[in-house]
Amino acid sequence: GENVEQHPSTLSVQEGDSAVIKCTYSDSASNYFPWYKQELGKRPQLIIDIRSNVGEKKDQRIAVTLNKTAKHFSLHITETQPEDSAVYFCAANLQGGSEKLVFGKGTKLTVNP
Amino acid sequence: NAGVTQTPKFQVLKTGQSMTLQCAQDMNHNSMYWYRQDPGMGLRLIYYSASEGTTDKGEVPNGYNVSRLNKREFSLRLESAAPSQTSVYFCASRHTSGTGLGNTIYFGEGSWLTVV
Repeated sequence: GENVEQHPSTLSVQEGDSAVIKCTYSDSASNYFPWYKQELGKRPQLIIDIRSNVGEKKDQRIAVTLNKTAKHFSLHITETQPEDSAVYFCAANLQGGSEKLVFGKGTKLTVNP
Repeated sequence: NAGVTQTPKFQVLKTGQSMTLQCAQDMNHNSMYWYRQDPGMGLRLIYYSASEGTTDKGEVPNGYNVSRLNKREFSLRLESAAPSQTSVYFCASRHTSGTGLGNTIYFGEGSWLTVV
């Protein structure tokens, strides 16, 4: 069925290391892929997004890459800091790039000082 | 400019009771969404509305109804609440452009619902 798979479900890194979270999607017509960060008890907040017409996007320590052929996209966080600890969600719009925006199950990232 | 506002923030219901979660956005967005969030399950789409007057089912629509009252408001109704509907509910909205390429989705602060 239509879905977004996200891995790993938990990730623990040392401060200063890099973290990578991967997502795959099922609909080849999907054209929008955002990443959200959610701190405990708060709403999800957009950290970066990528559209199907580009392969990579960077914003300071975070970057997202998209492989349309393989139908997967990844979040890369470099030089991790304790404040990066949170749950991260990927998402994709399904059904031919419609407004149906579906999320992965999330990755709990812990950055150890 | 309040963004996405949803009420109530907390609610306890008894099994079988009904209630409506209200959501309003002041960003003139076309699309609005209702998600539920459960531990280990991420954010699951209940219903969405791509424009005023239209609604569509998401991943988990059973037990819910929605109304897109106007461009600003999108409500979620539980007709007969069940313990399985205990969850955190998020309303969200985003602007859609003619290019067909997506735009940022903005979330409300969430509504914590407990059904006993």
